[in-house]
Amino acid sequence: EAGVAQSPRYKIIEKRQSVAFWCNPISGHATLYWYQQILGQGPKLLIQFQNNGVVDDSQLPKDRFSAERLKGVDSTLKIQPAKLEDSAVYLCASSEVTFGQFFGPGTRLTVL
Amino acid sequence: GQQLNQSPQSMFIQEGEDVSMNCTSSSIFNTWLWYKQDPGEGPVLLIALYKAGELTSNGRLTAQFGITRKDSFLNISASIPSDVGIYFCAGQMGGGSQGNLIFGKGTKLSVKP
Repeated sequence: EAGVAQSPRYKIIEKRQSVAFWCNPISGHATLYWYQQILGQGPKLLIQFQNNGVVDDSQLPKDRFSAERLKGVDSTLKIQPAKLEDSAVYLCASSEVTFGQFFGPGTRLTVL
Repeated sequence: GQQLNQSPQSMFIQEGEDVSMNCTSSSIFNTWLWYKQDPGEGPVLLIALYKAGELTSNGRLTAQFGITRKDSFLNISASIPSDVGIYFCAGQMGGGSQGNLIFGKGTKLSVKP
C-alpha cells in the first residue's frame, strides 16, 4: 500500500514570496491533516479535512496560509506571503476512522 | 494551550540496553500514540493506545496508556543501532482518529560514544 505522498521535498524562497505544497493521502483515507514542525519541536496541527470539508483550522494563520482539498483526495497548502518564521517542515498526514494518523515525508521550507 | 511534557529530552544508548521514556499531560486524552522520526522523514507510527490501562507491544517496543489517562510510557528493550532517532508521544482528545493530535517535544535517542 502506497504511503502519503508530498511534494516538493525541499523549497527555498525569499520572504514575501508565495509557496505551495501538495499532498496525496493514502487511498481511501477520508481525513487529511497538515502539520507544521519547527526545528526541535513536535508537529503542530494547522488544518484538518474530513473528505473535502474543513473540520479544524483554528491554528491556521489565515492571513497568510490557505489550504484546500478539492474532490476530497489531494490537498494543497499555500503560504502567501511567506515570513522568516514560516521556515519549518510541513507534514501531511491521513487517517481512516478507527486508526492512527500516517505521515508523509514532509516538505522542508526555508525562508531567506 | 494543551501541552505534553515528554522526558527525557535526550538520552544516549548502548546496544543491548533497555530504554524508557514517558509523557505526561494536565489534560485527559482518549488516545495515546507513539511515533519515531528519522532525519528528513515524517513521523512513523509505532504504537497506538485506545484504552486506559492498556499495555501494548510491537516487537521490542512496549507502551502503556496510564490509568489516569494523563500519561503514557514507551519502553524499548535490547536497543539496537537503528533505534536511534526522535521519539514523539501524541495525545488525542477525540475517539478513533478524530481530532487534533497534541505532540510532545520529543526524546532524542543517540548512540553512546
